[in-house]
Amino acid sequence: AQSVTQLGSHVSVSEGALVLLRCNYSSSVPPYLFWYVQYPNQGLQLLLKYTTGATLVKGINGFEAEFKKSETSFHLTKPSAHMSDAAEYFCAVSDRDYKLSFGAGTTVTVRA
Amino acid sequence: DAGVIQSPRHEVTEMGQEVTLRCKPISGHNSLFWYRQTMMRGLELLIYFNNNVPIDDSGMPEDRFSAKMPNASFSTLKIQPSEPRDSAVYFCASSLTGVGSPLHFGNGTRLTVT
Repeated sequence: AQSVTQLGSHVSVSEGALVLLRCNYSSSVPPYLFWYVQYPNQGLQLLLKYTTGATLVKGINGFEAEFKKSETSFHLTKPSAHMSDAAEYFCAVSDRDYKLSFGAGTTVTVRA
Repeated sequence: DAGVIQSPRHEVTEMGQEVTLRCKPISGHNSLFWYRQTMMRGLELLIYFNNNVPIDDSGMPEDRFSAKMPNASFSTLKIQPSEPRDSAVYFCASSLTGVGSPLHFGNGTRLTVT
């Protein structure tokens, strides 16, 4: 069965600092991996996804993630945090069917 | 693209009442999902439809919950009778069928059962 672990339920960064959100997965087959962002009182929006091919994936709003099979990781990064990045971020994995397993989420706060 | 549309945005009801949540998926999407989000349990998949047919309802918590998709542009999630523990945010999401297709979420319905 597939599962996702997000390390750290809360992350606080200074504006302009690196954002690093950690995600580890388990999957019995090569997975599809996703990062979603949820702003207050809104639904989840896709940031980026990995299916096949290049292991470094670029997404919207300057975010990127790297698929590392040997580490079963898919960490999300952004070089310079902006106040508008304050939100909750979810990592998700799919075993190539319709079911997505979501992590518990990481809330990012950005300090001015 | 209007996105996935859910109504109502907020619903407050008393225990024992029937609640109906509505969803209009993105035109052309043939997969539809209902999720529930709570602090305690995170995001839970309740039911999955493909081409209007329920494929997996194993996440529906109990018989008080039912979902329908009478056509490609409309789905409902009904709770009858409602209980305080049903209080949560309910999301509808749609996607194209196919491996790796991302989900497009609505803005959710925040349900409070008193």
